Amino acid sequence: LAKTTQPISMDSYEGQEVNITCSHNNIATNDYITWYQQFPSQGPRFIIQGYKTKVTNEVASLFIPADRKSSTLSLPRVSLSDTAVYYCLVQTFTSGTYKYIFGTGTRLKVLA
Amino acid sequence: GAGVSQSPSNKVTEKGKDVELRCDPISGHTALYWYRQSLGQGLEFLIYFQGNSAPDKSGLPSDRFSAERTGGSVSTLTIQRTQQEDSAVYLCASSQQTNTEAFFGQGTRLTVV
Repeated sequence: LAKTTQPISMDSYEGQEVNITCSHNNIATNDYITWYQQFPSQGPRFIIQGYKTKVTNEVASLFIPADRKSSTLSLPRVSLSDTAVYYCLVQTFTSGTYKYIFGTGTRLKVLA
Repeated sequence: GAGVSQSPSNKVTEKGKDVELRCDPISGHTALYWYRQSLGQGLEFLIYFQGNSAPDKSGLPSDRFSAERTGGSVSTLTIQRTQQEDSAVYLCASSQQTNTEAFFGQGTRLTVV
């Protein structure tokens, strides 16, 4: 099963681009990677999902290299309201069922 | 409903009692998930349903935990003979299918005293 690790914390300044990497060994070609944002006392909120190369939506980009041993969430021009914990989630299909493995979470602090 | 609804939002129970947590998913979502988040910790996957079926129950922490889903809608997570280590926020999520965006509820904060 994939193990997923993330940096514990990151600091950034408003207007900067932030890249958060999730390391996940042994994921299969069709395993999906999803990123969630979580504020205190709230459930996680979906940011972006993909399973290969690059995906972009209105709030973020997701980069998955060919070796699929990591993925990177890119947040362009962060603001103070982006201060939150960010989790990657690997969805893997094994032995006829799905497994869902969250990363350890990265606490992002955006400074003025 | 507009989103995933969980009840109760908070539950305090005595050690050894049984508790039942409820999740109302978004209408039409076939997949439903239960996660646990201990204080200040990450998210631990417990179980998922595709329709009313749970293909894999190995993520449940012990045999005191069980879950069911009826009518392809409401799900309940039951913890028997609660222990202090069961204290956590229990989060439910649903999605249209198992590989699409999941929407989370606000969670049930369970405290075992």
